[in-house]
Amino acid sequence: DGGITQSPKYLFRKEGQNVTLSCEQNLNHDAMYWYRQDPGQGLRLIYYSQIVNDFQKGDIAEGYSVSREKKESFPLTVTSAQKNPTAFYLCASSIGRERYGYTFGSGTRLTVV
Amino acid sequence: EDQVTQSPEALRLQEGESSSLNCSYTVSGLRGLFWYRQDPGKGPEFLFTLYSAGEEKEKERLKATLTKKESFLHITAPKPEDSATYLCAVQAEWDDMRFGAGTRLTVKP
Repeated sequence: DGGITQSPKYLFRKEGQNVTLSCEQNLNHDAMYWYRQDPGQGLRLIYYSQIVNDFQKGDIAEGYSVSREKKESFPLTVTSAQKNPTAFYLCASSIGRERYGYTFGSGTRLTVV
Repeated sequence: EDQVTQSPEALRLQEGESSSLNCSYTVSGLRGLFWYRQDPGKGPEFLFTLYSAGEEKEKERLKATLTKKESFLHITAPKPEDSATYLCAVQAEWDDMRFGAGTRLTVKP
């Protein structure tokens, strides 16, 4: 079955540490996205990519970095510069950026310890 | 300035008690309005896309409608398995998809 796989499901980060969240899709979608979800707030866009080797910042890109070396993969690195990283992170993909609904992964819950 | 506002924040219904969830938006040049269902600890699941005022979409007990200022998600004779958070999102021309904070629906048997 086609879908999006996020790993790990739970991740713990120590102060000053970089961590990388994995996102893989086998839907042959061109566009991929990373969102952050906090309680009581709507999903906020971190980064998106419409094509391999190209990506754009979203509303809250500071302290995060991404790469898109393969169509299927869009990993997110949470750097030590992100001061409040505890959140639920969601990866999504779509056929194109406009007018198409997104397919989401099951999420990664990141906690700072 | 909020572009997408969902109400109510939470809604508790008895099984079989029909109701509606509201999503109001203030974007111009709407490209699409999207409804998603999200279960606790999971990613959102796509339900509907509405593209123009007057459009309606249905899926089982759910029906989504769209006007120039808002969308409604009508739930007819809900069952406990309909309990979830329902997210609304809008996409304007040359902009990213903007999500509301969601309505948390609980259906009691």
